[in-house]
Amino acid sequence: GQQVMQIPQYQHVQEGEDFTTYCNSSTTLSNIQWYKQRPGGHPVFLIQLVKSGEVKKQKRLTFQFGEAKKNSSLHITATQTTDVGTYFCAGLDNYGQNFVFGPGTRLSVLP
Amino acid sequence: GAGVSQTPSNKVTEKGKYVELRCDPISGHTALYWYRQSLGQGPEFLIYFQGTGAADDSGLPNDRFFAVRPEGSVSTLKIQRTERGDSAVYLCASSLGDGRDTQYFGPGTRLTVL
Repeated sequence: GQQVMQIPQYQHVQEGEDFTTYCNSSTTLSNIQWYKQRPGGHPVFLIQLVKSGEVKKQKRLTFQFGEAKKNSSLHITATQTTDVGTYFCAGLDNYGQNFVFGPGTRLSVLP
Repeated sequence: GAGVSQTPSNKVTEKGKYVELRCDPISGHTALYWYRQSLGQGPEFLIYFQGTGAADDSGLPNDRFFAVRPEGSVSTLKIQRTERGDSAVYLCASSLGDGRDTQYFGPGTRLTVL
């Protein structure tokens, strides 16, 4: 079945440094969504990417969908302590109706 | 309007007991998902409803797990003969249409099986 992997598993950065997490799927995706989960909270939707090579920006966050629609990345510029949390990608393949979540990347930001 | 709500927020039960977890989706959302999340891991898909019917239940781990959505709104996840390995946070999410729409997650029910 479809597998979604994310690297790194953990990332510790100093406030102001940049951060990137990568998401890779074993199958071609119909679309991909990114979620953020704060400690003790539930996943909150950030963005959805649909088109091959698509790039979307939300303030300091940049999301990219690979040309082959099998990988994606999330880049945060100049991290802040409010960015702390676990970032999950979730991919919908071309055959299924359910999203498969990656294991997440846990981001810690040191002030 | 109100977001997705789940009750109870916490459930402690003994091994072998039966539990029911409830999810109230956002009004008007036809799609409803159940996930299970263990500590340090991503949400694991269990079942997806489109309206009243289970469109995909391939994630249910075994026949001890069952979910219903009789009127296309509230859903109940039922676990029979609970085992310690069932301990996790059970998340419910709803979306307006299908898997291509934003999923709005509830706060989850933390299930602990002693």
